[in-house]
Amino acid sequence: SQQGEEDPQALSIQEGENATMNCSYKTSINNLQWYRQNSGRGLVHLILIRSNEREKHSGRLRVTLDTSKKSSSLLITASRAADTASYFCATDAVTGGFKTIFGAGTRLFVKA
Amino acid sequence: GAGVSQSPRYKVAKRGQDVALRCDPISGHVSLFWYQQALGQGPEFLTYFQNEAQLDKSGLPSDRFFAERPEGSVSTLKIQRTQQEDSAVYLCASSLDSRSSGGSQETQYFGPGTRLLVL
Repeated sequence: SQQGEEDPQALSIQEGENATMNCSYKTSINNLQWYRQNSGRGLVHLILIRSNEREKHSGRLRVTLDTSKKSSSLLITASRAADTASYFCATDAVTGGFKTIFGAGTRLFVKA
Repeated sequence: GAGVSQSPRYKVAKRGQDVALRCDPISGHVSLFWYQQALGQGPEFLTYFQNEAQLDKSGLPSDRFFAERPEGSVSTLKIQRTQQEDSAVYLCASSLDSRSSGGSQETQYFGPGTRLLVL
């Protein structure tokens, strides 16, 4: 079973618009990461946010973390067609052994 | 520099056949992970190696799945007597440092995956 749940499952926007994806998880975590996966390829790490951080930026990416609600959001600003991909959040539970647990992902489609 | 590589990229197997999937991690990376990704889903953890030691195999779905990393670098995931439900993409990832149980998570670098189809 997967801990992270992303919503929406799919998102279609126009180039230049912002895209927001949300992730919820179930247990206490040490940190949360977001990954991108282009069709038919491996995952690429985007950003890591630690459990004692509330917000983090990297280029056009903004991630927030609310540990009281066990949720995170990923905002991509000024989206580009090249941002079309699936986006996954991943967590390691405090008592989760060595596992990294991924959500089911949000499929983002950016129309040129 | 070279990233994580996996071979074969595609594998078609007849039900009941044994398969072996190879992962070459980034040189010097201590940690190695295997994941199974079904169509339209996120990766599901299978097993974790710290160098040659398999510290967590809790995600392996049955005793038909076996993984090894005998010299602490290349790893092989073997599936015996494949079943149709084994059809998925198998991803390998490596990270520089070791993980502590429940501890901080290092960035994982993923390979392109092996797409397994069992007929």
